[in-house]
Amino acid sequence: EAQVTQNPRYLITVTGKKLTVTCSQNMNHEYMSWYRQDPGLGLRQIYYSMNVEVTDKGDVPEGYKVSRKEKRNFPLILESPSPNQTSLYFCASSQDLTFRRGTGELFFGEGSRLTVL
Amino acid sequence: AQSVTQLDSHVSVSEGTPVLLRCNYSSSYSPSLFWYVQHPNKGLQLLLKYTSAATLVKGINGFEAEFKKSETSFHLTKPSAHMSDAAEYFCVRYSSASKIIFGSGTRLSIRP
Repeated sequence: EAQVTQNPRYLITVTGKKLTVTCSQNMNHEYMSWYRQDPGLGLRQIYYSMNVEVTDKGDVPEGYKVSRKEKRNFPLILESPSPNQTSLYFCASSQDLTFRRGTGELFFGEGSRLTVL
Repeated sequence: AQSVTQLDSHVSVSEGTPVLLRCNYSSSYSPSLFWYVQHPNKGLQLLLKYTSAATLVKGINGFEAEFKKSETSFHLTKPSAHMSDAAEYFCVRYSSASKIIFGSGTRLSIRP
């Protein structure tokens, strides 16, 4: 089954304790991205990756890191979490946002709810 | 800057009545516009997309949207609401090969 898998789905942590949210897709997609969802703000892009070893900042990258060593995995790293990073996080992937080689559809994971105390 | 504005944060309709969720975009030569739906505790799922092939776009579950360049709008409609349509809906714009802009979302409630 084609899917994007995020782990953990729920996490409560404390300020300053490093954590990683993993994201894996099994569709051989080149494009992957991370978003955070906050009430009234929709989804905001944190980082994205056009392909292996290619990553770039989105709209709200501060406090986050990513890596793309393999095509299928795109982990989100919070080196020193703070309470303002309490949010619902989504990973998404797509074959091609330009529609040249695909539909442009984004496939989303089910979300990771993070609470930083 | 390119943007997407969802005009209603919450819409409530009775089951069996029409649904209208409004989305406006800032003008652009050729916008790529999408509607995604998010059911409770789930990720987002594509409903439909506009990519300039046709101004009236049909999507899944009976939803459709009409692209109106003169009004810079891409409103989502459904003739008859079903209880299972209760969810949050996002109007989304791709402004480049990497830049994706989400509207703030509209929560749709269905009254029995």
